[in-house]
Amino acid sequence: DVKVTQSSRYLVKRTGEKVFLECVQDMDHENMFWYRQDPGLGLRLIYFSYDVKMKEKGDIPEGYSVSREKKERFSLILESASTNQTSMYLCASSGDRLQPQHFGDGTRLSIL
Amino acid sequence: GQNIDQPTEMTATEGAIVQINCTYQTSGFNGLFWYQQHAGEAPTFLSYNVLDGLEEKGRFSSFLSRSKGYSYLLLKELQMKDSASYLCAVPAGNKLTFGGGTRVLVKP
Repeated sequence: DVKVTQSSRYLVKRTGEKVFLECVQDMDHENMFWYRQDPGLGLRLIYFSYDVKMKEKGDIPEGYSVSREKKERFSLILESASTNQTSMYLCASSGDRLQPQHFGDGTRLSIL
Repeated sequence: GQNIDQPTEMTATEGAIVQINCTYQTSGFNGLFWYQQHAGEAPTFLSYNVLDGLEEKGRFSSFLSRSKGYSYLLLKELQMKDSASYLCAVPAGNKLTFGGGTRVLVKP
């Protein structure tokens, strides 16, 4: 069974802080994704990566960056957190673009 | 680009059938996914349709018409645990574009 693990379920940070969200998958998947999910706006793609050290912007990359130094790990970075980045963040992985994405449990991030 | 539409919310009674529609516009079609998401949890994969027709998986079935840009998810013999959001999604390059989700509320 595919396991996608996000480092925290709940996180509270302050405005201006640098925030790291970590995601690890155990199925040797090529593709990894970071989404945020907000009421009424659905799932929106922030960044994705299709190989180590490769990244592509999704639909809402502003204010975020990512790092993929190892195949199994994909990190989302909020360079200077702002209150409008309070959200549920979901990480996912897939072996191929036409295979299902498998999601982690999510991190509910609050920026105060 | 991609555009996906699905109803925001539906209500049904336990034991009944509910059909969740999804219409999409995409440049280049590579199939359509359905996911289920319970409140506060991660989405989980339900089905993937790439050919026209109906695919059945127990109480859940998914239908696709490529010529009409239309899919539906059919939930039969509804149970309380089926109360969740249902998301349709289409591949676009290496990523998925999701619809806004349909929240299904099952009442006793």
